[in-house]
Amino acid sequence: AQTVTQSQPEMSVQEAETVTLSCTYDTSESDYYLFWYKQPPSRQMILVIRQEAYKQQNATENRFSVNFQKAAKSFSLKISDSQLGDAAMYFCAYRRTDKLIFGTGTRLQVFP
Amino acid sequence: EPEVTQTPSHQVTQMGQEVILRCVPISNHLYFYWYRQILGQKVEFLVSFYNNEISEKSEIFDDQFSVERPDGSNFTLKIRSTKLEDSAMYFCASSGLGTGMGEQYFGPGTRLTVT
Repeated sequence: AQTVTQSQPEMSVQEAETVTLSCTYDTSESDYYLFWYKQPPSRQMILVIRQEAYKQQNATENRFSVNFQKAAKSFSLKISDSQLGDAAMYFCAYRRTDKLIFGTGTRLQVFP
Repeated sequence: EPEVTQTPSHQVTQMGQEVILRCVPISNHLYFYWYRQILGQKVEFLVSFYNNEISEKSEIFDDQFSVERPDGSNFTLKIRSTKLEDSAMYFCASSGLGTGMGEQYFGPGTRLTVT
């Protein structure tokens, strides 16, 4: 069965600095998708970025980028120039079939 | 920008009562999902739905749960006889692409409190 692990329950960063959130996953599949979702205090799930496993190039979305290491089954999220609005829970997720499998999340605090 | 909507935002019900949670997916999406998140825990998959049929369901989705697309726009989750442990945030999601493909867009959630 596929699993997603986020080993950092909490992280903190100073405004304008860079932070990296870690995620590892376990699968025997070669073709799948990976996502990072943000959940602010409102608890809405907001898609941040996605990565297709068949693509070697790391995905980027403005200040958000990933480091996808397929052989190591690692999928970290880098947030550059952190802003106060980035403070939230961040969930890593894996998708092969219909369902998303989520990690336990990392709470990111941003200090001014 | 199109978005998934859910009603109500908060539902309080007594144990044993039936509840229906409603969702309006993004209009041109064909794949629909329900997830739940117990407070402080991770988001868990409940069920996926396509072409008026359940395509996949989890162990959580037992006989007390059912889903329906009663018309061309709504997608509902019914819990027949609620239990205290059903208290959670329930998220609806939709996708324009099917199995294993693409991102799912989530609604704002319905907070269900069972007393």
